[in-house]
Amino acid sequence: AQRVTQPEKLLSVFKGAPVELKCNYSYSGSPELFWYVQYSRQRLQLLLRHISRESIKGFTADLNKGETSFHLKKPFAQEEDSAMYYCALRLDSSNTGKLIFGQGTTLQVKP
Amino acid sequence: ETGVTQTPRHLVMGMTNKKSLKCEQHLGHNAMYWYKQSAKKPLELMFVYNFKEQTENNSVPSRFSPECPNSSHLFLHLHTLQPEDSALYLCASSQDRVGPNEKLFFGSGTQLSVL
Repeated sequence: AQRVTQPEKLLSVFKGAPVELKCNYSYSGSPELFWYVQYSRQRLQLLLRHISRESIKGFTADLNKGETSFHLKKPFAQEEDSAMYYCALRLDSSNTGKLIFGQGTTLQVKP
Repeated sequence: ETGVTQTPRHLVMGMTNKKSLKCEQHLGHNAMYWYKQSAKKPLELMFVYNFKEQTENNSVPSRFSPECPNSSHLFLHLHTLQPEDSALYLCASSQDRVGPNEKLFFGSGTQLSVL
């Protein structure tokens, strides 16, 4: 079955420390992966997508098909990065726009 | 307001009530979605509409009934709900059905409590 796993419910780091939010997926097809973020009192919004190979707000994520992972990384965390982060998988066989989300990881960046 | 607007923000209902959640988007998008966010579960896709046509029903119980009269409006009609249906219901839209370059725009959600 298709699944997205974010093993950490909470990740707490100090400002300036490196951050890695883990995401593993289970899917036999060709995956398309995304990271969504929800800041306090804001709406859930797209952070980045693997196909764009972009860096947004200093965050990057690389798709590793061998390890079926799409971990989100940032070399130096900032307090404003504190938020809830969701990894999401789109099934390429889906013509309906179905995205499967992980359970989310709360990132807490301490001063 | 631009973006995706959901009303009401909060809703408390009894198990015998009938209520409706409303979602409106002013982004000119063609696809709209209902997601359910429970406390201890991942975001769960419920329904997808594309150009007013339902393209996905993710095995949702019939006590949830969606309606999409046009590409800008999406409703979720609720009747005879159960306490376990209490959750945050999120509406989202995208220009077209989600592809590798598409992104979802979410509303703020309706926090539903079923007593």
